[in-house]
Amino acid sequence: QKEVEQNSGPLSVPEGAIASLNCTYSDRGSQSFFWYRQYSGKSPELIMFIYSNGDKEDGRFTAQLNKASQYVSLLIRDSQPSDSATYLCAVRDGGSQGNLIFGKGTKLSVKP
Amino acid sequence: SAVISQKPSRDICQRGTSLTIQCQVDSQVTMMFWYRQQPGQSLTLIATANQGSEATYESGFVIDKFPISRPNLTFSTLTVSNMSPEDSSIYLCSVVGTTTDTQYFGPGTRLTVL
Repeated sequence: QKEVEQNSGPLSVPEGAIASLNCTYSDRGSQSFFWYRQYSGKSPELIMFIYSNGDKEDGRFTAQLNKASQYVSLLIRDSQPSDSATYLCAVRDGGSQGNLIFGKGTKLSVKP
Repeated sequence: SAVISQKPSRDICQRGTSLTIQCQVDSQVTMMFWYRQQPGQSLTLIATANQGSEATYESGFVIDKFPISRPNLTFSTLTVSNMSPEDSSIYLCSVVGTTTDTQYFGPGTRLTVL
């Protein structure tokens, strides 16, 4: 069974701090990794994707991938209350169907 | 990114009835998926909607309960048949575009079964 693991949280950080969200995955054949943000009552919104080892930055967001450790993370710099949401890590199945496998999500709360 | 719409956005249904959810994309996409998200849970893949052929269902989901159609590259329907309160959930259409493997979600259909 291919799995994606995340700490469920809640993760609470003060406004302006760095929020660090972590994810591990079991399928070594996975090549594509995604972070989605989901506000309560809304559908998931894609915020970052990463394919190569290392860091990828987009504004206040940085995704980090380490395929050897089967680990992917999301850093949010200068966290804002509007970043408060559940963050879902997703890994594309390395098999033929290529489905996304989701973690259970980490709930982030940014306190003003 | 693709713009995805779903109809209805929400519905309240009686036990034993069926509901068909529509998903429309503003551009051709390679893959379309249907997910379910139960309250407080993460997303569970129901099936991959295949254009012109039968959908590919995940373990625990069957065609008789969740028939799916995909007549072309921009449209799909999911029917939830013979509903019970356990089917109360958010149903999400999701697509992968033709040029990248990034995947986007529609706004969802919130279903309540009484």
